[in-house]
Amino acid sequence: DIVMTQSPNSLAVSLGERATINCKSSQSILYSSDNKNYLAWYQQKPGQPPKLLISWASARESGVPDRFSGGGSRTEFTLTISSLQAEDVAVYYCQQYYVTPPTFGQGTKVEIK
Amino acid sequence: EVQLWESGGGLVQPGGSLRLSCGASGFTFSTYAMSWVRQAPGKGLEWVSGISGSGGSTYYADSTKGRFTISRDNSKNTLYLQMSSLRAEDTAVYYCAKPRGRDGYNWGNWGQGTLVTVSS
Repeated sequence: DIVMTQSPNSLAVSLGERATINCKSSQSILYSSDNKNYLAWYQQKPGQPPKLLISWASARESGVPDRFSGGGSRTEFTLTISSLQAEDVAVYYCQQYYVTPPTFGQGTKVEIK
Repeated sequence: EVQLWESGGGLVQPGGSLRLSCGASGFTFSTYAMSWVRQAPGKGLEWVSGISGSGGSTYYADSTKGRFTISRDNSKNTLYLQMSSLRAEDTAVYYCAKPRGRDGYNWGNWGQGTLVTVSS
């Protein structure tokens, strides 16, 4: 199985400041035939199901604010919140969907400093 | 609007069985692969099982293989998860999830989840 490792486990950022979450996969999740990274980012708030923010490592879902951006390739990826808002407090997960079983990172809790 | 709603969760004794259901509306159910994903209390997300749109192909996590059975009834727009030989470590909220595309595992739609508690 592909192991996904996120860092840090938790992050406290001041309102309006940048938050960056890292995600590493134990093997490349870049599919050569379509040149796509099979990496998704989810946001989960307490008591709610996860919400898909980004697919293909960098493609934001419709309706997701543009302060959220994803980057990286092969085995190293980032999720950046450019200007943290109060409503962004949540746990964020990366997930690979390159192979079965799909696997998640352990999650990063983002809080307000 | 895509809607998914799970039911069937509850308290079950170790070694017992339970069947979860997931109703779906707002999309052509039979053309989409579907998955079950679970989350133990205070823990992260774990994919449990997936099924193709036709139901002809099924996939399982190693932790559930041989104990859980995923199925679907496309005439009823319903996804199922039959769980048997349940263990304490199966205690979790179980979500059904629909991918962004026709198949794949990037899930753009989730139900609200149903809680399964395995305890004596």
